Amino acid sequence: GIQVEQSPPDLILQEGANSTLRCNFSDSVNNLQWFHQNPWGQLINLFYIPSGTKQNGRLSATTVATERYSLLYISSSQTTDSGVYFCAVERGGTYKYIFGTGTRLKVLA
Amino acid sequence: EAQVTQNPRYLITVTGKKLTVTCSQNMNHEYMSWYRQDPGLGLRQIYYSMNVEVTDKGDVPEGYKVSRKEKRNFPLILESPSPNQTSLYFCASSHGTGGFDEQFFGPGTRLTVL
Repeated sequence: GIQVEQSPPDLILQEGANSTLRCNFSDSVNNLQWFHQNPWGQLINLFYIPSGTKQNGRLSATTVATERYSLLYISSSQTTDSGVYFCAVERGGTYKYIFGTGTRLKVLA
Repeated sequence: EAQVTQNPRYLITVTGKKLTVTCSQNMNHEYMSWYRQDPGLGLRQIYYSMNVEVTDKGDVPEGYKVSRKEKRNFPLILESPSPNQTSLYFCASSHGTGGFDEQFFGPGTRLTVL
């Protein structure tokens, strides 16, 4: 099956710093999402981005489907950005969503 | 407010006592799915449903049942829970017409089986 790997696995930042999270997938995908799991366990949709680039405030994401990766950019990080960031992909026609291994982010005040 | 709801949010039970975790969405979504999240294993799909009366297995279906009698509801049934089913469970839904798109997740149900 398709493999989804995220890097780095752990990241510690000082408040105000920028970061880039990466999601690599081993096969072509039809759908890709980025989520933030906050410290209370809630999964929050960040981007639905099977291809192209999107921005939402301090966050932006880019997916290059032909090269099988997606990037999540966090600028001017805040302590509330702490948590785990997941990407999840669906290979076309399978209706099965595969989650990546996650990046655990801690932003220090 | 558009949302996916799950009940209960927390449950402690004993081995073998049948339980149901309910999931409901008010977005008229066709696609619904259940996941479990375990430390070191991430989120894994249990079952999914593409529409009423249409369900299929995900990656870890053993020990679980589902039903989709109505579009808005997709309950997860554990007929005889065991301690290895202790986990954080998420329900999700997606518009899904003719394909698959953005999924929306419920708040999660933390289940402990003693």
